[in-house]
Amino acid sequence: GENVEQHPSTLSVQEGDSAVIKCTYSDSASNYFPWYKQELGKGPQLIIDIRSNVGEKKDQRIAVTLNKTAKHFSLHITETQPEDSAVYFCAARRSGDKIIFGKGTRLHILP
Amino acid sequence: DVKVTQSSRYLVKRTGEKVFLECVQDMDHENMFWYRQDPGLGLRLIYFSYDVKMKEKGDIPEGYSVSREKKERFSLILESASTNQTSMYLCASSLSATANYGYTFGSGTRLTVV
Repeated sequence: GENVEQHPSTLSVQEGDSAVIKCTYSDSASNYFPWYKQELGKGPQLIIDIRSNVGEKKDQRIAVTLNKTAKHFSLHITETQPEDSAVYFCAARRSGDKIIFGKGTRLHILP
Repeated sequence: DVKVTQSSRYLVKRTGEKVFLECVQDMDHENMFWYRQDPGLGLRLIYFSYDVKMKEKGDIPEGYSVSREKKERFSLILESASTNQTSMYLCASSLSATANYGYTFGSGTRLTVV
């Protein structure tokens, strides 16, 4: 079955700098890659997703890239702000199957 | 605004009690899921359901059962609560197995078993 590895487990960046979280997946049939943000005391919320027919997707300060050949995908957050502090989960899914989540990255934005 | 609602944010129960965690979605989603979340272990799937009255075991079903009598409601049952079931429990739903979209999560229930 699918396995999703996520790195790093913890990341601290200075406010205003960029943050990058990386994930790898094992199932070449996976074709949908969502990213979730979980703030303290809340459930995970979908922030951006990418499908396998696209290499990059951007939404304001966040972007995701996908390298199907290497089975890598990454989340990039630019000009980080205090409200970006949260736990981020990457995930992968093949059509008709469950979403498989990475173990999460705790992002700290330092003042 | 579409929603997944979990009935309790915080719950404290005694060891050996039967515990019910309720989840309701208003999106007419076919699929519903129960996860538990523990530090360093990420989201672990307990049970899921693709349709009314259907249920499938996830990765850690031991000590739990589920009920889905209506499409919008998915209940997680701890038959005899134990301290190692102290955790954050998250319910999620998705449109269907074939529609390749993400899940919508509830806000979670933090359960403490004493």
